[in-house]
Amino acid sequence: SQQGEEDPQALSIQEGENATMNCSYKTSINNLQWYRQNSGRGLVHLILIRSNEREKHSGRLRVTLDTSKKSSSLLITASRAADTASYFCAPENFRVGGTSYGKLTFGQGTILTVHP
Amino acid sequence: DTGVSQNPRHKITKRGQNVTFRCDPISEHNRLYWYRQTLGQGPEFLTYFQNEAQLEKSRLLSDRFSAERPKGSFSTLEIQRTEQGDSAMYLCASSLAKGNEKLFFGSGTQLSVL
Repeated sequence: SQQGEEDPQALSIQEGENATMNCSYKTSINNLQWYRQNSGRGLVHLILIRSNEREKHSGRLRVTLDTSKKSSSLLITASRAADTASYFCAPENFRVGGTSYGKLTFGQGTILTVHP
Repeated sequence: DTGVSQNPRHKITKRGQNVTFRCDPISEHNRLYWYRQTLGQGPEFLTYFQNEAQLEKSRLLSDRFSAERPKGSFSTLEIQRTEQGDSAMYLCASSLAKGNEKLFFGSGTQLSVL
């Protein structure tokens, strides 16, 4: 597995604005996942995008993937105070015949604060 | 609630004591993972199981740490002779290893070693 690096480390916006977070990684991937973590809680899966997909939507979330640049972005539209959380990306590379399948490695995340 | 359950939610212990945490995964999930997270950092992988077999252990997992999943259902993580540096949130996650790669996390056990 490999680790993604999220950017920026922290993002502060007003309710109703859009929030964009970026993720970069180093080697080829099979898929990339985004997770959210509210303070003091476990991570919650948001969206998975496969290496042959370029864009994926889920409600107010839009994820893009550019495998040539080894990067992904997560856009949250019309943000709400409840979106305040840390966001993590997890790129995944299945080892052929290996046992790392399903093991994810997380970066430091982006801390998003949405002010009411 | 059919999500991943972790107990206890909080544990305060004195340095040198042993502690044990429990994780109950989603019932049909055959993969179970342990992660550790310190303040301001992302979760760090510790170990994982497929059914009852422990398939990988991180180098972070010193010999004071041991994890078991005796019947391929719940898992326990024991830390012996705790140190202050063991203070962290210990997260458990599970997944169904049949093309569904997303992890379902519990709420974690917050360990404080005094």
